[in-house]
Amino acid sequence: EIVLTQSPATLSLSPGERATLSCRASQSVSSYLIWYQQKPGQAPRLLIYDASNRATGIPARFSGSGSGTDFTLTISSLEPEDFALYYCQQRYTWPLTFGGGTKVEIK
Amino acid sequence: EVQLLESGGGLVQPGGSLRLSCAASGFTFGSYAMSWVRQAPGKGLEWVSAIDGGVGGTYYADSVKGRFSISRDNSKNTLYLQMNSLRAEDTAVYYCAKRSEVASGYFDHWGQGTLITVSS
Repeated sequence: EIVLTQSPATLSLSPGERATLSCRASQSVSSYLIWYQQKPGQAPRLLIYDASNRATGIPARFSGSGSGTDFTLTISSLEPEDFALYYCQQRYTWPLTFGGGTKVEIK
Repeated sequence: EVQLLESGGGLVQPGGSLRLSCAASGFTFGSYAMSWVRQAPGKGLEWVSAIDGGVGGTYYADSVKGRFSISRDNSKNTLYLQMNSLRAEDTAVYYCAKRSEVASGYFDHWGQGTLITVSS
């Protein structure tokens, strides 16, 4: 199974700052890397699919990049509603696997 | 509007069984693969099982293979997860999730989740 490692575990930033989240795969997943956002008590929300494509309704401040084994989710300028947990997921092969998550918290 | 509503959660003893349901609306249910994804308290997401649209195939995580069974009734727009031989480590919120419009293997809509607690 493909293991996804997210870093850092926690990112402490202020509103308006840039957030850079990393997801590394144990083997190549091509561009089949997904990002979700999850807030406390809520279900995950799709942000980015296939490394760099924003899902419907996702603001332009969210962007994804990478291919192969190294991927990045960037939030260009943090809004108050962006402080949340972020998970990556690969859809390259079964079983589908998720990273352990990065918490973006208010500094 | 796509809606997914899970039910069937609760407290069950180790070794017991439970069946989860997920009632879907707002899309052509039979045309989409569906999955169950779980999240243990304070932990990350774990994909559990998937079923293709129509009368398609089923897929399971190794952690539940042989104990859980996914199925669907397209006439009732409902997804199921039969869970047998439950263990403490199966304690989690279970989400049903719809395959995205664009491609398989990821999810554009999720239910609100139902909590399963396995404890004596």
